[in-house]
This record gives sequence, C-alpha cells and structure tokens, in this order.
Amino acid sequence: DSGVTQTPKHLITATGQRVTLRCSPRSGDLSVYWYQQSLDQGLQFLIQYYNGEERAKGNILERFSAQQFPDLHSELNLSSLELGDSALYFCASSRDRSLYGYTFGSGTRLTVV
Amino acid sequence: AQTVTQSQPEMSVQEAETVTLSCTYDTSENNYYLFWYKQPPSRQMILVIRQEAYKQQNATENRFSVNFQKAAKSFSLKISDSQLGDTAMYFCAFMRLDAGNMLTFGGGTRLMVKP
Repeated sequence: DSGVTQTPKHLITATGQRVTLRCSPRSGDLSVYWYQQSLDQGLQFLIQYYNGEERAKGNILERFSAQQFPDLHSELNLSSLELGDSALYFCASSRDRSLYGYTFGSGTRLTVV
Repeated sequence: AQTVTQSQPEMSVQEAETVTLSCTYDTSENNYYLFWYKQPPSRQMILVIRQEAYKQQNATENRFSVNFQKAAKSFSLKISDSQLGDTAMYFCAFMRLDAGNMLTFGGGTRLMVKP
C-alpha cells in the first residue's frame, strides 16, 4: 500500500457518459497529480493541484476537469467519453517541492465501450 | 519543453545477467532531477532510483545503478544480477525544479527477464 488511494479500481462505461475518479493522497502530501496512461504507453501529465489550487496543467482535454477539496482528496471528472479515453488513470501525491518523486496510487482502469 | 526518449521499446536478459536500459532527455535547465520508475504487470508505479543533476556521483540502489552523463543528457539504468521479479516496464522521468515539480516520462522499455 503506497498510501495513495484511488477509487474505483476498474470502471466500464459507455461512450457519451461522464465518470468521476477519486484520489486520496498520502497523509501529509499537499500536491496531487493526475496522469493518463494509454495502452502500453508512457504516462501523460494531465493536471496538478496544490493545497486546493490548480498549479500546473498539461495536455488535458476540455472534456476533462479536476479539483482538490479542503480535505486534500482530488477528483478527476471525465465527460462525453470517447473510446479513445480508455486508459489507466494514475493519481500521485507529493510534499510540496518534493525532490524524491511522487508516490503513485494503483490507478483506475477506465474502459469506454 | 522537456522531452524524454527511451530508444529501446523492448529488451530481454537472462536471469543473473546484467542489462542496461537507455534514456536521453532534452532540456535547457541546469538543475533538475532524473528518475527511473518500474511498472510490473500489476501496473503499480514503483520508484527505482533518482539522480540529482548537480551531483556527479552516479546513484546506486542495491542491484540498480545509473550512468549519468550530464553533458550528453544521458541517464541509463543498469540492473545487475537480474531477477525474474525485475520483469516490468521501466520508465525514465525528468523533473524540472519549478513550482510544479512536474514529472515528464519517456515512452518506456519493456524488460523481460528469462529463466
């Protein structure tokens, strides 16, 4: 157990639908990062939050949004889902300015059918 | 923008032998960190080793070591005495030291350790 909790582990949904992925960071970590990993590819950075505020944004589609709540958990919302959105979505957390990399959750496997 | 390139999509090695995975990166920054992450079939991302760019000494963690060539922007991972449990995808990653500390990943190398 890395200390970063992601739910659900698996999600199957139809095209056009909306889903919410949830992440609870490791205790004491203020930064949350979301990454997308399509089949057997590298991880693509989506967005970062620090203590409730958006800090950095990567190649995140307009159909996707995220937020970090006062208790520091984060949610990634994916709407108008397309087949190409099928991927593994990772959440990671770190201390601010952590130079030891991130702690990753186990990911949410999203399958759009 | 930083880019990270792993030129070996797949590699294999016999158990107990040594293998080296390659990684190059492109940046204009002088101060940064480099990482290798392992992703076994479970899909969990596991930190293997990290290197500070300002340190000339190569990092070592048990059977894992790196060859960091800053001028060449090269950061290879050497796995000694390979074990079956080393079978995984390996990702090289770059962290620029700014407010976000965002990690940029390479495309990965799939390593198969054969008995």
